Amino acid sequence: ETGVTQTPRHLVMGMTNKKSLKCEQHLGHNAMYWYKQSAKKPLELMFVYNFKEQTENNSVPSRFSPECPNSSHLFLHLHTLQPEDSALYLCASSHPDRGDYGYTFGSGTRLTVV
Amino acid sequence: DQQVKQNSPSLSVQEGRISILNCDYTNSMFDYFLWYKKYPAEGPTFLISISSIKDKNEDGRFTVFLNKSAKHLSLHIVPSQPGDSAVYFCAASDMEYGNKLVFGAGTILRVKS
Repeated sequence: ETGVTQTPRHLVMGMTNKKSLKCEQHLGHNAMYWYKQSAKKPLELMFVYNFKEQTENNSVPSRFSPECPNSSHLFLHLHTLQPEDSALYLCASSHPDRGDYGYTFGSGTRLTVV
Repeated sequence: DQQVKQNSPSLSVQEGRISILNCDYTNSMFDYFLWYKKYPAEGPTFLISISSIKDKNEDGRFTVFLNKSAKHLSLHIVPSQPGDSAVYFCAASDMEYGNKLVFGAGTILRVKS
């Protein structure tokens, strides 16, 4: 248990489905992130939230829609995805205001789009 | 354009020997560097970090070296153990602009017993 919990661990969805990924942290962190990890590629930053406000959208297609209702929860809503969106989606949190520049990651959601 | 590069996709080392993982970066504004370790089916976990005011940081079997002029850092693991077999990611950030971490593609380390 890393302190950052992601659900579900695995998800298979069709291209016309709508699903959501959930991330939860109770570490008192004030920043949360979504990263995408595709095979043999760097982790790609998707979204950054600081104090529930989105501060970064790294040119992510609109079929990915983040939501941060409070500083402990982060969602990634998915709709009309493509097979190339299949990847490991990682949530992370940090508290840069405390000088803590490292991330705590969740275990990820392995997404397969069919 | 990748700002953080790990040019070796994989590395195989005998148990007890030294493992050296390398990382290069292009952005001269980066001033904080981290190494993460990832096992299959788990998220990356923080291993060790170094700020640009230092050139070496040591934590047990793990040492990170930073060469700012060459924009290069390396992770040394001595002695290597089979449990060290994992994917190692190098990451960098520019602390002045927040703590967005830019990651490399990772290096798969296999430690043979």
